[in-house]
Amino acid sequence: LAKTTQPISMDSYEGQEVNITCSHNNIATNDYITWYQQFPSQGPRFIIQGYKTKVTNEVASLFIPADRKSSTLSLPRVSLSDTAVYYCLVGDNGYGQNFVFGPGTRLSVLP
Amino acid sequence: ETGVTQTPRHLVMGMTNKKSLKCEQHLGHNAMYWYKQSAKKPLELMFVYSLEERVENNSVPSRFSPECPNSSHLFLHLHTLQPEDSALYLCASSQAYKSSGGHLRNEQFFGPGTRLTVL
Repeated sequence: LAKTTQPISMDSYEGQEVNITCSHNNIATNDYITWYQQFPSQGPRFIIQGYKTKVTNEVASLFIPADRKSSTLSLPRVSLSDTAVYYCLVGDNGYGQNFVFGPGTRLSVLP
Repeated sequence: ETGVTQTPRHLVMGMTNKKSLKCEQHLGHNAMYWYKQSAKKPLELMFVYSLEERVENNSVPSRFSPECPNSSHLFLHLHTLQPEDSALYLCASSQAYKSSGGHLRNEQFFGPGTRLTVL
């Protein structure tokens, strides 16, 4: 299983861009990189998924360098409602059994 | 709303009780999961069902018994639990598919969870 390492917590202010980096030095060839967001007492919510280079959707961008040993989730112009825990997972996209949730990054957005 | 519902949302039970958690997905997915999230701990994958067959069982104690009668429903039967089993129990579903690049994609959709307290 590819282990991931993320900062335990981050603080930001409203309107700023937030970048959360995840290290996954042992990522395998078939592994995808997936990010989830979780609010207190709720289930995680899928944000974005990628394999290499850059992926962008309506809520975030995911940057993956050529060696794929790390990835960066970029949240543009955060608001107070983006305060949550963000999880980086790597896995081979089977039926989820290789997706291991780490402690995540607790993002606090301040006014 | 993610299309995955869980009932009950809150449950308090004694160590000698028997109860069941229910999960239902309205997304047409073919895989369903049970996770446990204890306070200040990461999510732990408990069980995975694919096409109604259990494909993963992460050394979960036998006092937790899953059941998947069809692709839309998943149950977690609980009996003789311990106080340390108190946690948020999350259900998820997914449907693996091939992306335009030929890679297998798999996004899990989570329900709101059941907050379980064992006294």
